[in-house]
Amino acid sequence: DTAVSQTPKYLVTQMGNDKSIKCEQNLGHDTMYWYKQDSKKFLKIMFSYNNKELIINETVPNRFSPKSPDKAHLNLHINSLELGDSAVYFCASSAGFGQETQYFGPGTRLLVL
Amino acid sequence: SQQGEEDPQALSIQEGENATMNCSYKTSINNLQWYRQNSGRGLVHLILIRSNEREKHSGRLRVTLDTSKKSSSLLITASRAADTASYFCASQRPDSWGKLQFGAGTQVVVTP
Repeated sequence: DTAVSQTPKYLVTQMGNDKSIKCEQNLGHDTMYWYKQDSKKFLKIMFSYNNKELIINETVPNRFSPKSPDKAHLNLHINSLELGDSAVYFCASSAGFGQETQYFGPGTRLLVL
Repeated sequence: SQQGEEDPQALSIQEGENATMNCSYKTSINNLQWYRQNSGRGLVHLILIRSNEREKHSGRLRVTLDTSKKSSSLLITASRAADTASYFCASQRPDSWGKLQFGAGTQVVVTP
């Protein structure tokens, strides 16, 4: 059984388009995260939600909008995609707010042309 | 800013050898964690060491933490080809709301 799943796995799109990435966890966790991994493999947190409420909102362009319809899902919508948005986006979850271990999804590889 | 720095950036060893990688961080922490990332895959949690702990073991993994030097090390003993991956340290500050600050990672290649 997949613990944290993301769709799509790959996303190739043109500049200026709007796209969404979906994340679901079946671990019963309360907290979910979005991370961005750049081409040098550096991982940086973007957002965190706890029980559908936004907890962490790093300095991310407002073209990125997370949405959590319920605590098992955290989606990421990106408007007006730019070349610099090309990266791997990882969703993660943890048991609770501030609970240490995070469980990561397989990643969504976004390429903006 | 990047919280963690890892050293070395890349490590190439033969099966059976030990692999050691180091991580430094900048601020006080609640805990420090190590994750593994196989090529094209997500991150897998390996081990967590709390700020009041100095050493922790899990199977062939040994992690140390020196809070006075703000550094940690991960030792993989008797490495296997399947250990080939990128290894990341991630620190968690007390006031960070669960946020992990990742290092740049160490790319480990284990050749048979």
